[in-house]
Amino acid sequence: NAGVTQTPKFRILKIGQSMTLQCTQDMNHNYMYWYRQDPGMGLKLIYYSVGAGITDKGEVPNGYNVSRSTTEDFPLRLELAAPSQTSVYFCASSPGETQYFGPGTRLLVL
Amino acid sequence: QKEVEQDPGPLSVPEGAIVSLNCTYSNSAFQYFMWYRQYSRKGPELLMYTYSSGNKEDGRFTAQVDKSSKYISLFIRDSQPSDSATYLCVPKRSGGSYIPTFGRGTSLIVHP
Repeated sequence: NAGVTQTPKFRILKIGQSMTLQCTQDMNHNYMYWYRQDPGMGLKLIYYSVGAGITDKGEVPNGYNVSRSTTEDFPLRLELAAPSQTSVYFCASSPGETQYFGPGTRLLVL
Repeated sequence: QKEVEQDPGPLSVPEGAIVSLNCTYSNSAFQYFMWYRQYSRKGPELLMYTYSSGNKEDGRFTAQVDKSSKYISLFIRDSQPSDSATYLCVPKRSGGSYIPTFGRGTSLIVHP
């Protein structure tokens, strides 16, 4: 049981490039979330999903897109990377009230 | 008024001290109360989970919820350097709400 896994662990992007952050969970949780965390700050919700095929915006969705074609996977897409998207990205899954977080993806946009 | 408020700290204590971490919230609809611990450069991990008012103990950790005053506490007994982390207070609504509300967290440093 791996829990929540995220790839890559670290990535450097140039301004304007695109990439997909991968997130997979093996706990059969319906709910999945993407957060970003800037240095010294709290978690900000980007997008979330309550089940396969259903996604919704969080607090800071601009510049990001998501899809949820299966229960296990919840990829986050950055289309045109900007320096403001430099952050640590955490994926989480939940069976209801409690959340289980992945190890994070550290993204640097230059 | 923010939904969840925590003193960001850092709170610095000597090893062996009793630590009290506190959190206030404004929304009376919150029914579930979680504490997460986040080590530097790691994802948060669930530490304690309570429902409604009262105390819950787990080893050296005690979570206390007072819904009448909208006040949540986490006590750590015999604190260890390995307890040095950021502690996030996370209340959540019941009844179909899927979005927990994260505070900024309190940074705790336990020095030997």
